Amino acid sequence: SQQGEEDPQALSIQEGENATMNCSYKTSINNLQWYRQNSGRGLVHLILIRSNEREKHSGRLRVTLDTSKKSSSLLITASRAADTASYFCATDWGGSEKLVFGKGTKLTVNP
Amino acid sequence: IAGITQAPTSQILAAGRRMTLRCTQDMRHNAMYWYRQDLGLGLRLIHYSNTAGTTGKGEVPDGYSVSRANTDDFPLTLASAVPSQTSVYFCASTEPEMTVTFQFFGPGTRLTVL
Repeated sequence: SQQGEEDPQALSIQEGENATMNCSYKTSINNLQWYRQNSGRGLVHLILIRSNEREKHSGRLRVTLDTSKKSSSLLITASRAADTASYFCATDWGGSEKLVFGKGTKLTVNP
Repeated sequence: IAGITQAPTSQILAAGRRMTLRCTQDMRHNAMYWYRQDLGLGLRLIHYSNTAGTTGKGEVPDGYSVSRANTDDFPLTLASAVPSQTSVYFCASTEPEMTVTFQFFGPGTRLTVL
């Protein structure tokens, strides 16, 4: 399988704490994307990082990419209860627009 | 319509029946995708279409077929449903000509095959 893997599978934190999720993948990529899925809903794109970038920020999100280790991390700072969701990383498949998704990290932020 | 719509929202189907899941987008995106999401397995690509008139197989295409007669619609058909096709199905689209090619997702169809 070409699927990536997120780590941890589940994460429970208190409001105000930071949440870090990791993603490992198997093949060379052009970009890596992170998506969020609220329970019972479709996925929503959060952020994309290209293979020639090492770090990217968007609001309270910080993404890093280490292509030598084939890994990425998503940091959510000052978490809120509304951040409770599943988070997925996705990599391009063979340089095309098709994506390969990981299995996701389920984040619970307790008020 | 704003974005991607899917129908039905949910369906219970007897094994052996034929079923078509509908997907429509109003963003004029060329590329469309069908995924299934199963607990513990994440999202897996079933079929895709890079542009109207073309389709391709994804990671798990067996038992499914698609067509792309126009830009907006991308129906997924289960010719003879089996219980292992019980899943949540998501349709997505993207525009390959965009600088940043992330995918937009529909709300999903929850299918139960008994």
